[in-house]
Amino acid sequence: SQTIHQWPATLVQPVGSPLSLECTVEGTSNPNLYWYRQAAGRGLQLLFYSVGIGQISSEVPQNLSASRPQDRQFILSSKKLLLSDSGFYLCAWSGLAGGYNEQFFGPGTRLTVL
Amino acid sequence: DAKTTQPPSMDCAEGRAANLPCNHSTISGNEYVYWYRQIHSQGPQYIIHGLKNNETNEMASLIITEDRKSSTLILPHATLRDTAVYYCIVLDSGGGADGLTFGKGTHLIIQP
Repeated sequence: SQTIHQWPATLVQPVGSPLSLECTVEGTSNPNLYWYRQAAGRGLQLLFYSVGIGQISSEVPQNLSASRPQDRQFILSSKKLLLSDSGFYLCAWSGLAGGYNEQFFGPGTRLTVL
Repeated sequence: DAKTTQPPSMDCAEGRAANLPCNHSTISGNEYVYWYRQIHSQGPQYIIHGLKNNETNEMASLIITEDRKSSTLILPHATLRDTAVYYCIVLDSGGGADGLTFGKGTHLIIQP
């Protein structure tokens, strides 16, 4: 069966510090991978998606970047965090079997920037 | 440019059926209706989807009107663990490949 892991679960970082969040998927090959963010009291917003190694598409201009160094690894980064980067970050995957419309989400990382 | 309209919140008594409506009057012929839910502090969870026929799985039933302009998600015997935000999303086949667009959804509160 497929599983998706995210870490860390919670993170408190000072403004201006770097960020690295990691997501890995097991039990599937060639998944589409996604990063979403949910700011406090707001809806889920798609940040990045990837259809393959090294292929990243960004949905919104922002202070963050993403990378996919391996087929089942997706990393979200920032060189200098802003207060507005606080939120709940969710990684997700989808595959051909579900027509890419069934997405499976990880447990999330709650980031607080102080 | 919202494709779906849902009530912001609903209450339901534990043990009763919860019926969550969704309007999608501009749905096109090749678009499916998908439902997800998000329990507090967790990631969204896929529930069910359908094109034009009613669908049922172990979690819920989906009733789509004949004109496909609206649908209802039914949780037959709601429990406290069903308290969550429920999202109705319209997608064509493969349309989620570049990500899902979540609206505000319906916050369903199951009352003991």
